[in-house]
Parts: sequence; structure tokens; C-alpha cells
Amino acid sequence: DTAVSQTPKYLVTQMGNDKSIKCEQNLGHDTMYWYKQDSKKFLKIMFSYNNKELIINETVPNRFSPKSPDKAHLNLHINSLELGDSAVYFCASSQVPDTQYFGPGTRLTVL
Amino acid sequence: AQTVTQSQPEMSVQEAETVTLSCTYDTSESNYYLFWYKQPPSRQMILVIRQEAYKQQNATENRFSVNFQKAAKSFSLKISDSQLGDTAMYFCAFLVFQGGSEKLVFGKGTKLTVNP
Repeated sequence: DTAVSQTPKYLVTQMGNDKSIKCEQNLGHDTMYWYKQDSKKFLKIMFSYNNKELIINETVPNRFSPKSPDKAHLNLHINSLELGDSAVYFCASSQVPDTQYFGPGTRLTVL
Repeated sequence: AQTVTQSQPEMSVQEAETVTLSCTYDTSESNYYLFWYKQPPSRQMILVIRQEAYKQQNATENRFSVNFQKAAKSFSLKISDSQLGDTAMYFCAFLVFQGGSEKLVFGKGTKLTVNP
């Protein structure tokens, strides 16, 4: 059973398009996160949600809008995609404060 | 601000040998968590080991162990009997508590290659 899953695993799109990445966890955790890994492999947090409430918004452009319909799901919608948005996006979850478990990542390529 | 520094961008080791990856961090907090994550070419982020700052005993997980020096703010990872499957990027991470939630602050990673 996959603990944290993301779809899609690969996303190739044109500049200016809007796209979404979905994340689901079946660990019963109350907190979920989005991290971005850039081309140099550096990982940085974007958002965290606790029980559907936004807790951390780490100065991310407002083209990025997370949505949490319930505590097992956290989706990431990106409007007007730019070349610089190309990266790997990881979803993670945890039962605060404790280990964060990561999804497989979504490689987004903006052409 | 909390920061994590991994001073070795790349390392290599022969199969069956031992290697140590360095990590230092900066914080004014007294209670925190530290982690090592492994990212193989499959890009999955895999937890290797975790250490709670209040525990003086160094964490171990099979062939993986840490040397946690709280006063020096150092958290190195030792891999014994290295295997080809240990080839990966290794990230040191510090858990920061913020506003009722928490976030991981990562180092820039060390690329480890295990040679046959």
C-alpha cells in the first residue's frame, strides 16, 4: 500500500497553461506539505496544511494555490506556468511533530 | 534563521567500506529533530535515520548510524559496509517548529557513489 501518492509523476506543458498535481496520504496524518526541488536538487518548503487549514505559506507566488478538501488530500494548482516553475514537486505528510513521509514526486517541465 | 550545511557536495566509497557524511546546523532552539534522507536515482525521498535532540544516545538503523554532537551542532551520518544500492543523494534536514506546524530545512545534499 502506497503511503503518500502523487499524480501525475510527470507533467510536460507549455508556458502560460494551468496545471494541477494531486496528493493523497493513507497514513492518517494531520499535516501535509508541498516541497519544491529545483534543478540543483535543493529542497524547500512551499506550503503546509494542518487539518485542512493553511499553516505555512513560504513566500510562494500567488500563481500557486494549494487546496485541501480533507486531511488526506492536498492538491497544488499552478496558474500561468512559467519556465522557472520547472522542478520536482514533492508532497509529504506527518503527524506533528514527527517524521515527514514523502510521495514519489512530480517532475514538472514547462516548455 | 535555521540553516543546514553539508560541506561535501560529492563523495565516493568502495563497496564494503565505511563512509561518513558531514552535516552542521544552526539553531537557537533546544528541542528539535534531525534527519537524514536518501534520494536514489528513482527520486523517491527515503528516510534513513532520525535523531531527537533531547536524546543523548546516537541513533542507529542497521548499517546507518549518526554521530550527534549537540554542542557543536553537528550531525554526521556513517554508512558501514557500503552497498551499491547506497548510491544516492543524501540530505541532512532539520525540523523547525513554526506557527503550530513544522517544516524541514534541508542541506544542499551530498552525492554518494559506491564503487564496485
